[in-house]
This record gives sequence, C-alpha cells and structure tokens, in this order.
Amino acid sequence: AQSVAQPEDQVNVAEGNPLTVKCTYSVSGNPYLFWYVQYPNRGLQFLLKYITGDNLVKGSYGFEAEFNKSQTSFHLKKPSALVSDSALYFCAVRAGGYQKVTFGTGTKLQVIP
Amino acid sequence: GAVVSQHPSWVICKSGTSVKIECRSLDFQATTMFWYRQFPKQSLMLMATSNEGSKATYEQGVEKDKFLINHASLTLSTLTVTSAHPEDSSFYICSAGQSGPEGEQFFGPGTRLTVL
Repeated sequence: AQSVAQPEDQVNVAEGNPLTVKCTYSVSGNPYLFWYVQYPNRGLQFLLKYITGDNLVKGSYGFEAEFNKSQTSFHLKKPSALVSDSALYFCAVRAGGYQKVTFGTGTKLQVIP
Repeated sequence: GAVVSQHPSWVICKSGTSVKIECRSLDFQATTMFWYRQFPKQSLMLMATSNEGSKATYEQGVEKDKFLINHASLTLSTLTVTSAHPEDSSFYICSAGQSGPEGEQFFGPGTRLTVL
C-alpha cells in the first residue's frame, strides 16, 4: 500500500523568509509525486510533480521540490515566502502506471507579514 | 492545464432527499475520473474511481448504493448522494486524469453539500 506523511499540521514563516513544507512517502516501485495547494472552500490546484529526471523540480508560483530517494522525501520549498502563499498544501503519491493517488493529511502554511 | 468543472458549487438539501453532483472535463477526454470527500481540516479521501462505460470501483467502506456514480461519457461523471443525511455533509471533489503513466490529475473546484 502507498502512503504519504506530512509531519507538520502547520508551518509558520515570516514574509520574505524561505519556507519548507515536509513530505515523506512510501510506495512500491518508482514514485510519482505531486504537490497541490488548496485555498479555503476551493478545489486543489496543481503546483508541481516529480516523475523522473532531475531531483529538483520547479513548479508554479516560485515553488520547487526536491526528490530524495534515499530518504523517501519530497519536501516543498520556496526561497522567499509571500503572504498570499498562506494556504493548505497537500503532498500526494502515485505508483507509476496506476492512477490512484494517495494524499497526505495536509500542512497549513501561514505566512506572517 | 486542463480544466475540470463541478456543478453545483454548493447545495443545501433536506434530510432524505437525493443530490446529484456533476463533474466535467472541459477540454480533454477522461476515461477515468475520481471522486473524493474532504471533511473540515482533513485530507482528501478517495471514494471511488469512475470508469467511462463501466461500473465504478468503490473504496473500502464506501456504500455504493448510497453514493451512485455514473460515467456516461468521456467528459462527464456524476455522483448522486441518495437519501442524504446530515453526516453526508462534506466537501466533494472530483478529478479527471489524463491517460498514460505520467498523466496528472486535474481537480474540480469542489461542491459543498450541507444536509439539514
């Protein structure tokens, strides 16, 4: 069975500071990894994905994530946080070739002005 | 990216009535769509996988007779909550996947169901 862990329920960061939202995963075979963002009462918006290739993946709104196979991690990062980045972030994993996606429990990011 | 729409965006109904939620892929064909349920401050829980032209595949613990899924075309899947009760109140989100192993899922904006 595949699973995703987001160990932090909430992350607080000052505006302009770098941010990291943590994610670790477990899956059989090669992982397909995703990050999504959700604003209140809205659906999920795709940020980025890792399928293969470079371990550092760049996505929307200046976000990036680093795939670390040995640590089975896919942490989301941004060099300089904006207040508008405040939202709920979900990490997700899927085994290659199979479309069922498993989501983490989500991390609420609060960027403080 | 591709666009997935849901209708309605919110609905309030009386206990015992049925509610239908539509999920449409607007600019691509989706042989597979997924229905999720999200409780407040919780993650998305996959309810079922909707397959065009065949029966949906339900996750363990999801009542297929209560949550009826119909995937009548490559761009439309519907979820009907039958005989709704207050505990069915939730945020329902659909997604549509592109074909192929690298295909990502695109999510609809969600439907807020409140059962009185």
